[in-house]
Amino acid sequence: KQEVTQIPAALSVPEGENLVLNCSFTDSAIYNLQWFRQDPGKGLTSLLLIQSSQREQTSGRLNASLDKSSGRSTLYIAASQPGDSATYLCAVPYNTDKLIFGTGTRLQVFP
Amino acid sequence: NAGVTQTPKFRVLKTGQSMTLLCAQDMNHEYMYWYRQDPGMGLRLIHYSVGEGTTAKGEVPDGYNVSRLKKQNFLLGLESAAPSQTSVYFCASSPKLTGVGYTFGSGTRLTVV
Repeated sequence: KQEVTQIPAALSVPEGENLVLNCSFTDSAIYNLQWFRQDPGKGLTSLLLIQSSQREQTSGRLNASLDKSSGRSTLYIAASQPGDSATYLCAVPYNTDKLIFGTGTRLQVFP
Repeated sequence: NAGVTQTPKFRVLKTGQSMTLLCAQDMNHEYMYWYRQDPGMGLRLIHYSVGEGTTAKGEVPDGYNVSRLKKQNFLLGLESAAPSQTSVYFCASSPKLTGVGYTFGSGTRLTVV
């Protein structure tokens, strides 16, 4: 059974810092890995999708990497801003028709 | 605006009462999902559907039923609510398998007392 874990569970950093969020999965036979953002009281928004054949994917200040062999992905946020404060979740497909989510990392960026 | 709409947004139920959560999408997506989100446990899949008239069980299906009579709607029912079903429920839809193109609703916060 696929299990997805995220470390740390919470993170608080000053504005401007570069930071890394971690995601680990137990079954390396994945099609892709996705990072989502969730704002308080809201649904999830997809940030980045990395296909299994890719090593990384970039969108603005966000960079996600994928190492299937070690069962790990990282989300790198450059020059963090207060507007980046949210919960970040990673997810991988399981049995081709559903996503398994990690427990998330709650990020707070203070001015 | 196109997307996934959930109703209601908030609800308080007494133990043993029943209710139905409605999810509607206007993107012509084939696949629809119901998740629950609890503190420290992430999102867990309750039931899902790979097309009109089909449903399947996810990780935590007990105590819930679903129906997909129309492609655009996915209903989640609680026949006899229990306090353990207090949670935030999210509906999502996607056009493809393997998680591509997921769109989430804004959630329903349910409290069972």
